[in-house]
Amino acid sequence: DSGVTQTPKHLITATGQRVTLRCSPRSGDLSVYWYQQSLDQGLQFLIQYYNGEERAKGNILERFSAQQFPDLHSELNLSSLELGDSALYFCASSVVEHRGRGYTFGSGTRLTVV
Amino acid sequence: TQLLEQSPQFLSIQEGENLTVYCNSSSVFSSLQWYRQEPGEGPVLLVTVVTGGEVKKLKRLTFQFGDARKDSSLHITAAQTGDTGLYLCAGVLGGSQGNLIFGKGTKLSVKP
Repeated sequence: DSGVTQTPKHLITATGQRVTLRCSPRSGDLSVYWYQQSLDQGLQFLIQYYNGEERAKGNILERFSAQQFPDLHSELNLSSLELGDSALYFCASSVVEHRGRGYTFGSGTRLTVV
Repeated sequence: TQLLEQSPQFLSIQEGENLTVYCNSSSVFSSLQWYRQEPGEGPVLLVTVVTGGEVKKLKRLTFQFGDARKDSSLHITAAQTGDTGLYLCAGVLGGSQGNLIFGKGTKLSVKP
């Protein structure tokens, strides 16, 4: 157990739907990062939050949004889902904001859009 | 275009063999990390290297950061079946506070 908790582990939904993925960071970690992993693209950075504030955006689609709450858990909202959104979504956390220190990853949410 | 190119993409070896996987870029990185990912799990950090030419050892695993901080290698001695997994390198571009950029990984299979 890495200490980063992601729910649900699996999610199957239809095109056009909206889903919410949840992440609880490791105790004491203030930074939360969301990544998408697909077979052809590898791990792609989506967005980062630090202590409740958005810090950086990567290749995140406009249909996707995220937030970090006062208790530091984070949610990734995916809407108007398309078949191509099927992927593994990982949340990672770190103590500090500096990205060179290494992240602790959760076990991921496998999203299947049918 | 992938900033971090990993090779080989796939590697299948017998238990007891040695192997080296590579992570290359034309860009300079302020630090570089190696992760191992098993099916159904998230990547697990193995090591971080920050100084050009740095060598770090973790039991049978040896990590090296290139002198120019553009490349890295991971060498495994006497591979075991438990080493099977996806090995990912990831780095932060030099001079930036940018986010961690991942390579696509090397999928290693160690057969008994």
